[in-house]
Amino acid sequence: EAQVTQNPRYLITVTGKKLTVTCSQNMNHEYMSWYRQDPGLGLRQIYYSMNVEVTDKGDVPEGYKVSRKEKRNFPLILESPSPNQTSLYFCASSLMGQGAGGELFFGEGSRLTVL
Amino acid sequence: DQQVKQNSPSLSVQEGRISILNCDYTNSMFDYFLWYKKYPAEGPTFLISISSIKDKNEDGRFTVFLNKSAKHLSLHIVPSQPGDSAVYFCAAGVQGAQKLVFGQGTRLTINP
Repeated sequence: EAQVTQNPRYLITVTGKKLTVTCSQNMNHEYMSWYRQDPGLGLRQIYYSMNVEVTDKGDVPEGYKVSRKEKRNFPLILESPSPNQTSLYFCASSLMGQGAGGELFFGEGSRLTVL
Repeated sequence: DQQVKQNSPSLSVQEGRISILNCDYTNSMFDYFLWYKKYPAEGPTFLISISSIKDKNEDGRFTVFLNKSAKHLSLHIVPSQPGDSAVYFCAAGVQGAQKLVFGQGTRLTINP
């Protein structure tokens, strides 16, 4: 089954404790991206990757890091989480980049709470 | 600066009637538009898209209309069914720019 898998789905952590949200897709997609969803703000892009070792900032990259060492994986790293990073996070992938109008496939989301 | 706006946070429609969800944008460079549907505890799923060279695209019960002069698009669902109850996001992009800009979402509730 074609899917984007995120882990963990739910996480409560404390300020400053490094965490990683993993994302894996099995569709051989080149493009992957991270979004956060906040009330009243919709989905905002954090980082994206066009291919292995190619990453770039989205609209809200502050406080986040990513890496793309393998085509299927695109982890989101919060080096020192803060309460304003409490949010619902989505990983997404597509066969073509967004610039080509490629449809995004989303994971089920990871709800993160930073105390 | 919200480039894509969905001004109705929620909408309630009777089953069998038409649901109309609206979306406005400010960036005239956007040249393709999509609608995504999201159920609770799930990720958004693609519903329908339209290119700026068209003013209408239809897929079964779903039709998207684009009015470029007004910078407005709408999603029509007819007839509405209980399974259509979800949050709907519109999104817009520019060919060559690797990003979709999403609206805030509209929660649609279909009442029996």
